Amino acid sequence: SQQGEEDPQALSIQEGENATMNCSYKTSINNLQWYRQNSGRGLVHLILIRSNEREKHSGRLRVTLDTSKKSSSLLITASRAADTASYFCATDAENTGFQKLVFGTGTRLLVSP
Amino acid sequence: DADVTQTPRNRITKTGKRIMLECSQTKGHDRMYWYRQDPGLGLRLIYYSFDVKDINKGEISDGYSVSRQAQAKFSLSLESAIPNQTALYFCATSNGPGLVSFGPGTRLTVL
Repeated sequence: SQQGEEDPQALSIQEGENATMNCSYKTSINNLQWYRQNSGRGLVHLILIRSNEREKHSGRLRVTLDTSKKSSSLLITASRAADTASYFCATDAENTGFQKLVFGTGTRLLVSP
Repeated sequence: DADVTQTPRNRITKTGKRIMLECSQTKGHDRMYWYRQDPGLGLRLIYYSFDVKDINKGEISDGYSVSRQAQAKFSLSLESAIPNQTALYFCATSNGPGLVSFGPGTRLTVL
């Protein structure tokens, strides 16, 4: 079963606007990661946030993590048409003894020029 | 050169055929994974391996088998392909509690 659920499933915005995607998960985690996937292609790692971190930045990306609510958000600021892609959160659950990423269902982002 | 490579990149086959998807990595990672992606369902774990002597089933291993021929090679087999195994397949590697590197994917169509 999927560990993470992303919200919204699809998001359509204009260039320059901010895009926020949310991820909820079910079990305690070691870390949570966000990936990007251009249509039908491989996944590209964007950012990793550990369970003891609350916020992390990378360029135009900002990720927050609330372990009490078992949720994370990804904010893309000043979006560009090139940001159009699907975005997935993935969790590395605690106490698995082995890193197994469990993926959410993804958010499809469309950024229009 | 890509760190994680998959062959073939695209494959069309018929129901009942045996198919092997291959994955090679130059990252020196011990951990390797096979994931399957279906539209709207994200990625689901098929099998994973800690080293050449360690093979573990993921959440959707039925109908699949794997072989870890060497640290750098991890192949996925469909013994008798069926149409609902049509999907995008990803190999991935990891060095532990950190980043996972994905291959470019294999698009498999079973007619």
